[in-house]
Amino acid sequence: ETGVTQSPTHLIKTRGQQVTLRCSSQSGHNTVSWYQQALGQGPQFIFQYYREEENGRGNFPPRFSGLQFPNYSSELNVNALELDDSALYLCASSPEQGGLQKQYFGPGTRLTVT
Amino acid sequence: SQQGEEDPQALSIQEGENATMNCSYKTSINNLQWYRQNSGRGLVHLILIRSNEREKHSGRLRVTLDTSKKSSSLLITASRAADTASYFCATARSGNTGKLIFGQGTTLQVKP
Repeated sequence: ETGVTQSPTHLIKTRGQQVTLRCSSQSGHNTVSWYQQALGQGPQFIFQYYREEENGRGNFPPRFSGLQFPNYSSELNVNALELDDSALYLCASSPEQGGLQKQYFGPGTRLTVT
Repeated sequence: SQQGEEDPQALSIQEGENATMNCSYKTSINNLQWYRQNSGRGLVHLILIRSNEREKHSGRLRVTLDTSKKSSSLLITASRAADTASYFCATARSGNTGKLIFGQGTTLQVKP
């Protein structure tokens, strides 16, 4: 078990709605990354935040946005939900920016869009 | 798009046997990491191997990296039922891009 927590565990939303997912990073970590994992696929990088600034973004549209707070916790916001947004959303923290060290993953939030 | 391709997609073995999973990638990397995922939950980091390393061990795990072939393998020796999970390789490119690129994973079933 890592010290990374995510909330909520599960969420059901309707197409067109907006959703906010939350992540608390492991103590001492200043970097949070978000990944989307569709069923049967590997995780896909959404973006990373380092000391409250976005530090790299994957191939996701602008309706996916994020925030990192001074305590290094983070939020992922998705606007105008689409059916294809149904997935497991994972956050991962690390003590430094970049992907050059291991990532500590939370248990994920399962989002279902109907 | 995924950079890593993993082979096989699924593997079923008996307890006590060894399991080997392979990963190929497309671009130059700084390091390659292996993760385990149980039943659609969070990923657990297993091992990280840097581009200037060829082999690394951790307990029953052995990872090799061949940068000339852009491939890696994960060997789990003396497998246990508790090793049943999905295994993913992930690559980190040089530079602080912040991005790990995951393969599609190998699903391992270890039968007691």
